[in-house]
Amino acid sequence: AQKVTQAQTEISVVEKEDVTLDCVYETRDTTYYLFWYKQPPSGELVFLIRRNSFDEQNEISGRYSWNFQKSTSSFNFTITASQVVDSAVYFCALYNNNDMRFGAGTRLTVKP
Amino acid sequence: DTGVSQDPRHKITKRGQNVTFRCDPISEHNRLYWYRQTLGQGPEFLTYFQNEAQLEKSRLLSDRFSAERPKGSFSTLEIQRTEQGDSAMYLCASSFEQYYEQYFGPGTRLTVT
Repeated sequence: AQKVTQAQTEISVVEKEDVTLDCVYETRDTTYYLFWYKQPPSGELVFLIRRNSFDEQNEISGRYSWNFQKSTSSFNFTITASQVVDSAVYFCALYNNNDMRFGAGTRLTVKP
Repeated sequence: DTGVSQDPRHKITKRGQNVTFRCDPISEHNRLYWYRQTLGQGPEFLTYFQNEAQLEKSRLLSDRFSAERPKGSFSTLEIQRTEQGDSAMYLCASSFEQYYEQYFGPGTRLTVT
């Protein structure tokens, strides 16, 4: 069975701090895709990144970066120099065999 | 067409009534997905369509739940004989093909009284 664990339920930081959101996944398959989504207070899920299981290159997009490590089944997300607008719930998800599994999410609060 | 749309945004119904939600995906997307999200949880996959074919039904929560996508465009999710436990946000998403990122609509919040 596939499973995604986001152990951090809530994180609170002060603006300009760096913050890392952890994601650990379980799957028996060798081909799968990993995603991160952001759900701001407005409620609509926003796609952030997709990564396939054969591509372990880390990715950076502006203040966002992602670290994918198959050896530890982790796909962590770092926000550098956090801003108040980054406050949201962030979900990690695993997709394979037409099955999308989301973690329970991490609520990030960035205080001014 | 700028994104996935869902209608209605909010629905309040009495227990035992039937409800139907509509989803309009991004026009060039072949795949359409339905999810349920309860408070404090991530979205829970319910069913999906490839064009008009419903290829996964086993994850629907009970036989009171059904979905259609008659012409491979918009989709409807129906819940019959609603129960209080059905109260949740129902999300629709679409993607170009399998393994592509899914784009979500704003959701329909259902409250069963």
